[in-house]
Amino acid sequence: DAGVTQSPTHLIKTRGQQVTLRCSPKSGHDTVSWYQQALGQGPQFIFQYYEEEERQRGNFPDRFSGHQFPNYSSELNVNALLLGDSALYLCASSGWDTQYFGPGTRLTVL
Amino acid sequence: EDQVTQSPEALRLQEGESSSLNCSYTVSGLRGLFWYRQDPGKGPEFLFTLYSAGEEKEKERLKATLTKKESFLHITAPKPEDSATYLCAVQEGTGNQFYFGTGTSLTVIP
Repeated sequence: DAGVTQSPTHLIKTRGQQVTLRCSPKSGHDTVSWYQQALGQGPQFIFQYYEEEERQRGNFPDRFSGHQFPNYSSELNVNALLLGDSALYLCASSGWDTQYFGPGTRLTVL
Repeated sequence: EDQVTQSPEALRLQEGESSSLNCSYTVSGLRGLFWYRQDPGKGPEFLFTLYSAGEEKEKERLKATLTKKESFLHITAPKPEDSATYLCAVQEGTGNQFYFGTGTSLTVIP
């Protein structure tokens, strides 16, 4: 079982640019959640996708958007990047309840 | 208002010195409480799910317990490889997102 995979591993962008992060869920999981984790903090919920729809959203601006594909994989898009968007972005997949996390994408905004 | 508070923020133990990590929570209608281990720069690794007060789960040197207000992660005779940040998360009965604490950074000294 491959587990949750994310790409790319690392990314460096400049302020104002746009970025797309990708996630493939664990086999058998149909729900994908995205989190932002700043250094020294716990993960903060961005949103969750189920059946290709955004099911719930955390306290993040509209610059953060996402998509889920029919094969349950997902993308996180961030527009107009700010320095404060620098963080580890985590994808988690789940079936019923427990969320399993991928390795994360480290985004650095310069 | 913080839903999840973890203490202590950091803990240094000698190898073999047992201790406990605390996770207190304030959510209405707990659906589940989750413990994860996170190594630097990596995604959280799932450890336990607890659903109701009085429940206990064990895995190797770790044991998680749950009351109506808090959970404890007991570490018995820790080894240096147990060094990591331990994260606690809760899921409310009517919601889908996980609320994470800021974690306890554990260092086990040989």
